[in-house]
Amino acid sequence: GESVGLHLPTLSVQEGDNSIINCAYSNSASDYFIWYKQESGKGPQFIIDIRSNMDKRQGQRVTVLLNKTVKHLSLQIAATQPGDSAVYFCAESKGDNDMRFGAGTRLTVKP
Amino acid sequence: GAGVSQSPRYKVAKRGQDVALRCDPISGHVSLFWYQQALGQGPEFLTYFQNEAQLDKSGLPSDRFFAERPEGSVSTLKIQRTQQEDSAVYLCASSLIGGAADTQYFGPGTRLTVL
Repeated sequence: GESVGLHLPTLSVQEGDNSIINCAYSNSASDYFIWYKQESGKGPQFIIDIRSNMDKRQGQRVTVLLNKTVKHLSLQIAATQPGDSAVYFCAESKGDNDMRFGAGTRLTVKP
Repeated sequence: GAGVSQSPRYKVAKRGQDVALRCDPISGHVSLFWYQQALGQGPEFLTYFQNEAQLDKSGLPSDRFFAERPEGSVSTLKIQRTQQEDSAVYLCASSLIGGAADTQYFGPGTRLTVL
């Protein structure tokens, strides 16, 4: 069946480097995509979102890129900090309240 | 302001026991969602309320799972005759209006362990 997935389960980067977390989706009907950050023992925290009529959106130190041609979503974090260490989830929605999450990528920032 | 709160934070139950998990959404938020998150996995949708109306319960895994939101604010997720496979973190989220593009704010979750 169609699902949201991730290319890599773990990512390790040096403090100060840029991080790129990838996500593949297969449901062409999805029109809204969200990135969440989840720290240990906490619920997911909204980072940034993007609609299907856009291909790029920027926030504070974060950028989300959407490539609908290859059904790929990425989250770029600039100047990664130790506080960015967490599990990152992409999620998709197709216009209803059924938001589907991927399995997550664990980001570890090395000092 | 206060975010979404959940209680208890941790619950240990013996197999066969009933449990009730509480969610206090952000004040004024119309929509409320329950998710189940297994270890190492992303959250999976269970059910959705708009005010007191349960509009979607397609994600509830069995008839042992029941959710309510009688006054359109606080919600309770009840699991009857708990099984070991019910062990997971149960997350609650709320959004101001609802709909695909309305940001969902999550609580810290309740970690349920069934022995």
